[in-house]
Amino acid sequence: DTGVSQDPRHKITKRGQNVTFRCDPISEHNRLYWYRQTLGQGPEFLTYFQNEAQLEKSRLLSDRFSAERPKGSFSTLEIQRTEQGDSAMYLCASSSLGAEDSPLHFGNGTRLTVT
Amino acid sequence: LAKTTQPISMDSYEGQEVNITCSHNNIATNDYITWYQQFPSQGPRFIIQGYKTKVTNEVASLFIPADRKSSTLSLPRVSLSDTAVYYCLVGDNFNKFYFGSGTKLNVKP
Repeated sequence: DTGVSQDPRHKITKRGQNVTFRCDPISEHNRLYWYRQTLGQGPEFLTYFQNEAQLEKSRLLSDRFSAERPKGSFSTLEIQRTEQGDSAMYLCASSSLGAEDSPLHFGNGTRLTVT
Repeated sequence: LAKTTQPISMDSYEGQEVNITCSHNNIATNDYITWYQQFPSQGPRFIIQGYKTKVTNEVASLFIPADRKSSTLSLPRVSLSDTAVYYCLVGDNFNKFYFGSGTKLNVKP
């Protein structure tokens, strides 16, 4: 299966700790997106990359959040000093730039629980 | 960015055809219309995408009128496994996408 892979699937952490999630996109995709989803809501856009360049960040992405895609392949999302309000599903998606009709392909997310 | 409006929920029975309509009055010329399906604890899964008229694939059809201000996802002969949340998105693939709250479809036996 060459779909989008996210690791870990679940993460439980205590308030104040730092956490890092990883996303491996579909190999030929040059766009990578991070979304956050809370229970009963649709996914909320956080940020996206085109190759290694981070092109846009949502206002939802506070200073405690940082995302990287160092070599234009996998990406990491780090949350520092976690708060209970950070508890959510963090979804990664990828798509292929250059095709107007290239949809997003999502991973199954990392579910974060902050206690 | 074009905002989308969908019904919050719909009920159906197995074997019926289900049509979910999405309104997107501010759709831009370059925007595509894309539908996703999401099961609990999974990421959204691409169903179908279109620009105008009708698109059909092995799982669904997408009907888009000439003014493109709305679209209808049609699921033929639904089964219990089609119970999920369905999202309509509008945008071009050169920018980020925004999800609404989706339509929760409940298929009953």
